[in-house]
Amino acid sequence: ILNVEQSPQSLHVQEGDSTNFTCSFPSSNFYALHWYRWETAKSPEALFVMTLNGDEKKKGRISATLNTKEGYSYLYIKGSQPEDSATYLCALTNTGTASKLTFGTGTRLQVTL
Amino acid sequence: GAGVSQSPSNKVTEKGKDVELRCDPISGHTALYWYRQRLGQGLEFLIYFQGNSAPDKSGLPSDRFSAERTGESVSTLTIQRTQQEDSAVYLCASSVITSGRRELFFGEGSRLTVL
Repeated sequence: ILNVEQSPQSLHVQEGDSTNFTCSFPSSNFYALHWYRWETAKSPEALFVMTLNGDEKKKGRISATLNTKEGYSYLYIKGSQPEDSATYLCALTNTGTASKLTFGTGTRLQVTL
Repeated sequence: GAGVSQSPSNKVTEKGKDVELRCDPISGHTALYWYRQRLGQGLEFLIYFQGNSAPDKSGLPSDRFSAERTGESVSTLTIQRTQQEDSAVYLCASSVITSGRRELFFGEGSRLTVL
């Protein structure tokens, strides 16, 4: 069983703050790391898929980095806005089961005015 | 529609009853997944369908759970003799491989409450 851990479990920031979360995973047999955003009452939405050590991805104010050797990924949000409030999920696929995503428990972010 | 559609969006049932959840994937997506999220826990893999291959049922928690998919279309997840621990949001996703990377497109989920 793959163990994908996310921290913190929840986070409460004010509008304009920058923040980051961590996703930790086993580094052996790594294939891809996915980040999803899940807003309440909506469907999870893909943010990034990263496969290479040192990968950095950016979408607007959100960016992510990947370290496959030590088994972690960071998600950064610059200048948080209330609409960023959501649960951020990371998911791992490894070479043994590249079709199956194993999700972490998520980081729940709340951004207030 | 353009996205993954799930029904019902909410289901309240009594312990011991059977329930059926439905998923309409995005047209052309050959792969379909079922996940669930119980309160306070992460997304838990249940089952994966890929084309006409045998499904990966390794995540089904008990023999009360079963799922079917006809070709590359609709899938149904059936839970027999529901228990309170089956209460969860059941998410369906279909996927496509783009530039060698798999991306899942999720529905909004079916929230199941077993009383």
